[in-house]
Amino acid sequence: ETGVTQTPRHLVMGMTNKKSLKCEQHLGHNAMYWYKQSAKKPLELMFVYNFKEQTENNSVPSRFSPECPNSSHLFLHLHTLQPEDSALYLCASSHGVKREKLFFGSGTQLSVL
Amino acid sequence: TQLLEQSPQFLSIQEGENLTVYCNSSSVFSSLQWYRQEPGEGPVLLVTVVTGGEVKKLKRLTFQFGDARKDSSLHITAAQTGDTGLYLCAGENAGNMLTFGGGTRLMVKP
Repeated sequence: ETGVTQTPRHLVMGMTNKKSLKCEQHLGHNAMYWYKQSAKKPLELMFVYNFKEQTENNSVPSRFSPECPNSSHLFLHLHTLQPEDSALYLCASSHGVKREKLFFGSGTQLSVL
Repeated sequence: TQLLEQSPQFLSIQEGENLTVYCNSSSVFSSLQWYRQEPGEGPVLLVTVVTGGEVKKLKRLTFQFGDARKDSSLHITAAQTGDTGLYLCAGENAGNMLTFGGGTRLMVKP
């Protein structure tokens, strides 16, 4: 029980598909994050939500659309992705916006064909 | 843009050996975190160092924050196969921005 659960663990999709990644945290945290982890690149922050409100969008292409219906759930909707979007997508949560301790999920390994 | 460089990128050693990995930047950080990520899992926080010159020990792992709060090191004594994984450092600045290094991938062979 990691406290942050991501589904699915693996996803293969074509460039014209629409899919969604789901993240749920059971830690009572207020902030949630989406990170992208590619080979040979540092973790890239994509989006930050604090109390359900988006507070950061790091110039992420619009084919990635986040949704945060409440402080415990975070989604990443995917549409018309490119092969270079293939990566491990990690969800994380923290107690507050001061990122002293991030709790990560196990990630969704995404392959775009 | 703040950058954190980790070295070495890859390290393969035998069980029982000692090793040190480094995390360097030209920027000052208010705190620095070390994570370990095992295959198929997300990163897990090992330690946070806050004060320049601070040394923290976690069993066989020793973490040091540089005096100027620009760099850090992780030393593992008598490595075990369970230490295998990707070690990530992450620096937090005063604006609560967290920057990750590229990681050191450690393989400890039996």
